[in-house]
Amino acid sequence: DTEVTQTPKHLVMGMTNKKSLKCEQHMGHRAMYWYKQKAKKPPELMFVYSYEKLSINESVPSRFSPECPNSSLLNLHLHALQPEDSALYLCASRATKSSYEQYFGPGTRLTVT
Amino acid sequence: EDQVTQSPEALRLQEGESSSLNCSYTVSGLRGLFWYRQDPGKGPEFLFTLYSAGEEKEKERLKATLTKKESFLHITAPKPEDSATYLCAVLSTGFNKFYFGSGTKLNVKP
Repeated sequence: DTEVTQTPKHLVMGMTNKKSLKCEQHMGHRAMYWYKQKAKKPPELMFVYSYEKLSINESVPSRFSPECPNSSLLNLHLHALQPEDSALYLCASRATKSSYEQYFGPGTRLTVT
Repeated sequence: EDQVTQSPEALRLQEGESSSLNCSYTVSGLRGLFWYRQDPGKGPEFLFTLYSAGEEKEKERLKATLTKKESFLHITAPKPEDSATYLCAVLSTGFNKFYFGSGTKLNVKP
């Protein structure tokens, strides 16, 4: 099973709202990622957690705040977003020891109004 | 600097018309090259990993090959359900992140 789940599927929020995106995997993977994808563009890396510790932060604005409560869960907390933050947010995970491919979730379509 | 370039940007085929997608890469050291399929509004679906030049992987109508400078995704006798954007990504030995190409949007007409 190579399933990564993400909730919610769709989210509409105002610029003053606080919301969270959630990601879960039960494959025993110890690296998890957040990506942002705009229309007709490839995914852009935002954050990498390896063994529940933040290992890569691609200079993402502080209005995005990641959290990794345990090895199966990954959250992305959103606050005071801008309309240009509207995008598809993808979570991915990777088995660090045996292989390098990342498995992506279905994404959360975020619209900021 | 690591770089990945995919061509063509878009490809329109008739059902049954075989073709190839190209992914050219420049990396300091290749740890792996990855092919994904992405349908509109969905997450990328993993297809193949290639680790070294000369390696080939096959899955149904798809075959991925790798040389020292590029990878090809060959599509044999495609069907309309193969229509999607195909993404190539490279993982270099110096970094813990994928470098994605901009993708090839494939449209297979019945």
